[in-house]
Amino acid sequence: EPEVTQTPSHQVTQMGQEVILRCVPISNHLYFYWYRQILGQKVEFLVSFYNNEISEKSEIFDDQFSVERPDGSNFTLKIRSTKLEDSAMYFCASRLTGLASLDTQYFGPGTRLTVL
Amino acid sequence: AQSVTQLDSHVSVSEGTPVLLRCNYSSSYSPSLFWYVQHPNKGLQLLLKYTSAATLVKGINGFEAEFKKSETSFHLTKPSAHMSDAAEYFCVVRFGNEKLTFGTGTRLTIIP
Repeated sequence: EPEVTQTPSHQVTQMGQEVILRCVPISNHLYFYWYRQILGQKVEFLVSFYNNEISEKSEIFDDQFSVERPDGSNFTLKIRSTKLEDSAMYFCASRLTGLASLDTQYFGPGTRLTVL
Repeated sequence: AQSVTQLDSHVSVSEGTPVLLRCNYSSSYSPSLFWYVQHPNKGLQLLLKYTSAATLVKGINGFEAEFKKSETSFHLTKPSAHMSDAAEYFCVVRFGNEKLTFGTGTRLTIIP
């Protein structure tokens, strides 16, 4: 069964450094998402992406964050200058084109980001 | 305001007994509702979803949920718990736009 994959599984970085989290969505999916879960807190929506554009973003997704689909398979989340509070589990998700009300978002296993 | 509430942060049941995980939502219209499960060190897996078809929704691994509009609830149930059901369960709502809104999660512990 096709699945969303994410690399790395765990990333440790120093505060102020740039990180890129990578995701490979399910191959025929066209809508892509990033969510994050700070330890002990809710899973929060960050951004949705379709047709090479951001379609929706949350207040969390400020100028330090960017997303990109650099080729036909990868979907990346870049944090330009990491802060301690960026430490979290980051989940990538994708869904097939179609009505949002009928479609399911499939999640990857997550990347745990630790900022020191 | 639109929100989703999971009433129990932790539920413990004995193996072979029924499971009930509670979820309520607040919305001015009927949203799309989901239950996802997260096993330790694993990703989020879809258990079931409600999208305005049948109000009783059957999912994987023997789980089901009933949408009750009058009570704004979408509780998850299973007749007989198995040790492999131990995990974190999230009630998730889509209020008409792209993003999913997650509840705070319920950790299910199964007692042998």
